[in-house]
Amino acid sequence: NAGVTQTPKFQVLKTGQSMTLQCAQDMNHNSMYWYRQDPGMGLRLIYYSASEGTTDKGEVPNGYNVSRLNKREFSLRLESAAPSQTSVYFCASSEAYRAGRWGYTFGSGTRLTVV
Amino acid sequence: DAKTTQPNSMESNEEEPVHLPCNHSTISGTDYIHWYRQLPSQGPEYVIHGLTSNVNNRMASLAIAEDRKSSTLILHRATLRDAAVYYCILSYNQAGTALIFGKGTTLSVSS
Repeated sequence: NAGVTQTPKFQVLKTGQSMTLQCAQDMNHNSMYWYRQDPGMGLRLIYYSASEGTTDKGEVPNGYNVSRLNKREFSLRLESAAPSQTSVYFCASSEAYRAGRWGYTFGSGTRLTVV
Repeated sequence: DAKTTQPNSMESNEEEPVHLPCNHSTISGTDYIHWYRQLPSQGPEYVIHGLTSNVNNRMASLAIAEDRKSSTLILHRATLRDAAVYYCILSYNQAGTALIFGKGTTLSVSS
């Protein structure tokens, strides 16, 4: 099925380790987003890419970096994981970045635990 | 940015209609009203969005007040599968390029 694919689905890291969360979409969308969701909370925007070749910070960017590898792929990197980054991470895409005109398609998430 | 107010929780019975309210008194003329839902342990799922006119799709209907200061998501016949957190969203980041989620309404559906 067409959509947003995230890998891995689950990951446990030790404090200080690094890792990259992968996200790919096959809908030819221009814009992609990374959100995190902590227990009992709504989603918070980490970074987004309005179009291929651009990335921008969201609400909670500290401790993360992103790469828009091509139109399909948008990765999120944790350089030195901290327990505060334990969360569920969601990638999303939309046709374009103009706020509100297009709906978002979300991936199924990556559950990350930092010990 | 425009804020939304939703009830924390609502209950419904299976096969009955559900009306989920959202207040957004500070909405601007260009703000689209988005609704997403999130089933347990899943990613958010797009439900519907609109600007001024009422909108219908296979999942739900969106009724927008004439002054646009409130809206209602209508599920015509609730099923157990509709139990989820429903997010009404108008907020965007400062650049106006990404949606900002609130806490939503938890909908329970009983058989």
